[in-house]
Amino acid sequence: RKEVEQDPGPFNVPEGATVAFNCTYSNSASQSFFWYRQDCRKEPKLLMSVYSSGNEDGRFTAQLNRASQYISLLIRDSKLSDSATYLCVVPGYNFNKFYFGSGTKLNVKP
Amino acid sequence: DAGVIQSPRHEVTEMGQEVTLRCKPISGHNSLFWYRQTMMRGLELLIYFNNNVPIDDSGMPEDRFSAKMPNASFSTLKIQPSEPRDSAVYFCASSPDRGRNTEAFFGQGTRLTVV
Repeated sequence: RKEVEQDPGPFNVPEGATVAFNCTYSNSASQSFFWYRQDCRKEPKLLMSVYSSGNEDGRFTAQLNRASQYISLLIRDSKLSDSATYLCVVPGYNFNKFYFGSGTKLNVKP
Repeated sequence: DAGVIQSPRHEVTEMGQEVTLRCKPISGHNSLFWYRQTMMRGLELLIYFNNNVPIDDSGMPEDRFSAKMPNASFSTLKIQPSEPRDSAVYFCASSPDRGRNTEAFFGQGTRLTVV
């Protein structure tokens, strides 16, 4: 089983919609998680960190379900500029290694 | 802060040639990572260093790939000889190694095309 798994999408949504992605992880001992955003032909950049049950930043909410070993990213009131690939990241032991999911592609349409 | 700096940004080379990718991590970061990204396989960790020492190179595809970190401010990833299947975007990332608050900061990547 891969360390991190994501639905590759694409998710095609209209502007203003609410969309959610899930990511499952295999290491039950993992303590912290990250969502990265990657625009086409650009490098990944940190979007949000998740350490406890969840985190909220404006239109973005990340939630953690330890029992089921998944994290989710919820985007409310989608904007055209939200179109990107969203990568789920789980650090390894001692946080010296980062396992990336394959990414979920989001297309927000006018 | 200039961020992680990679060079070259683009590289086109012929099969069989040696390719060297370079990375300057963010000053003060203890960990450095080399990733490869393709459409088929996504982001794959090739190798990572901690305090200039290679910790895990299990992701290096084969002996044609080698990586070095001679000091805290410079790392190279070398492919010799290169093959068309090595075509990908190679990212270098660094992190400050602060426990659970650690995040990885990526360079802009080197787009390698082997023809």
